[in-house]
Order: sequence, then structure tokens, then C-alpha cells
Amino acid sequence: AQRVTQPEKLLSVFKGAPVELKCNYSYSGSPELFWYVQYSRQRLQLLLRHISRESIKGFTADLNKGETSFHLKKPFAQEEDSAMYYCALSGNDYKLSFGAGTTVTVRA
Amino acid sequence: EAGVTQFPSHSVIEKGQTVTLRCDPISGHDNLYWYRRVMGKEIKFLLHFVKESKQDESGMPNNRFLAERTGGTYSTLKVQPAELEDSGVYFCASSLYYTDTQYFGPGTRLTVL
Repeated sequence: AQRVTQPEKLLSVFKGAPVELKCNYSYSGSPELFWYVQYSRQRLQLLLRHISRESIKGFTADLNKGETSFHLKKPFAQEEDSAMYYCALSGNDYKLSFGAGTTVTVRA
Repeated sequence: EAGVTQFPSHSVIEKGQTVTLRCDPISGHDNLYWYRRVMGKEIKFLLHFVKESKQDESGMPNNRFLAERTGGTYSTLKVQPAELEDSGVYFCASSLYYTDTQYFGPGTRLTVL
């Protein structure tokens, strides 16, 4: 069975401070990991996927197979980063399994 | 290029009624997925179409839910009869190949009273 855990429901940080969203997963094979983001009144959109190894909007995430984690990080949070963030996993069948989501609020 | 569209954006019905949700994927995308998020729970996979064929419907909760994709273009998800626990947001996503990024629609918020 595949499972994604996001332990933080809410995360509040000040503008300019670092932000880290935790994501742990369980999967018996080699999964692909994603971070999706949903800004207020917008649709769910892909932020990054681990195979592309890109940095999008200053966010990075490293897949740690030993700790089965895929934490999302940004060194300096901006107000426009306030959103709902979902960690997701797909296996061989490519259907997505989502975590419960973390609501991030960046305060001025 | 137009993104994934869903109709309606919001539907309020009474228990026992029928509702049909529609999803128009990005043009040319063979892969179409349905997901839903019910109150307080994670977004869950419902099913996956490749063109007009159901590739995986393991997430469909019960036989009150019927999904179709005639002609391999748009898809409909019918709930008949609707129950209170069906309330939630229903998302559609599409991708060109099954290994590609899934692009999501805005969702349909279903409220069953």
C-alpha cells in the first residue's frame, strides 16, 4: 500500500524566514514524488517533481530514500507563497496518492 | 491553450437525487483521471481513463458512481443516487502520456443535503 503523510496541517512563518514542509511516504517499490500547490481560488498545480530536480519559485525538495522523506524547503518565504501544499506519490500505475496537505501562511 | 475544465463548479442536490459532473481534458490528452476530496480527508484517486477505456477504476467507492468517456474526449461522472457522504470536491486531471504531469481542473464542489 502507498501512503503519504504530511504531519503539519498549518504552518505560519514570517516573510523572509525559511520554510520547510515535511512529507514522509511509504511504498514498497520506487515511487515518484511530487509537490502540488493550490493558491487561493486557483486550481491545483504542480510545483515540482523529484525526477526533474528543478527549483521552482525558490522551492527545492530532495528525495531521501533512507528516511522515506521528500521535504519541501525554501530559504526565504514570500507572502505570495501562502497556499495549500500537497505532497503526492505515484507508483507503477501513475495514479497519485496525496497527503492531507499543509496550509502555509506567510506573514509580513 | 485551455486547461482542464469542469462543469458545474458547484452543485447542491438532495439525498437520493442524481448528479452528473463533466470534465473536459486538455485537447489531445489521452489520460484522464478523477479524484475527490471529501470533508476532512485526503484527495483520493477514483479512476483513470486511457482514451475511452477504463484503465483503473479501483478507487470508485461503490456502484452508485458511474464514469464514462465516450469517444475519448470529455468524461462524465454520474452519482446515482447521491448520499450525504458523497459531498466533497471532485477533481479531474489529464495528461498526455501516463508518465507525464497531471494537469488539474478547478474541481466541482458537490453538496448533498
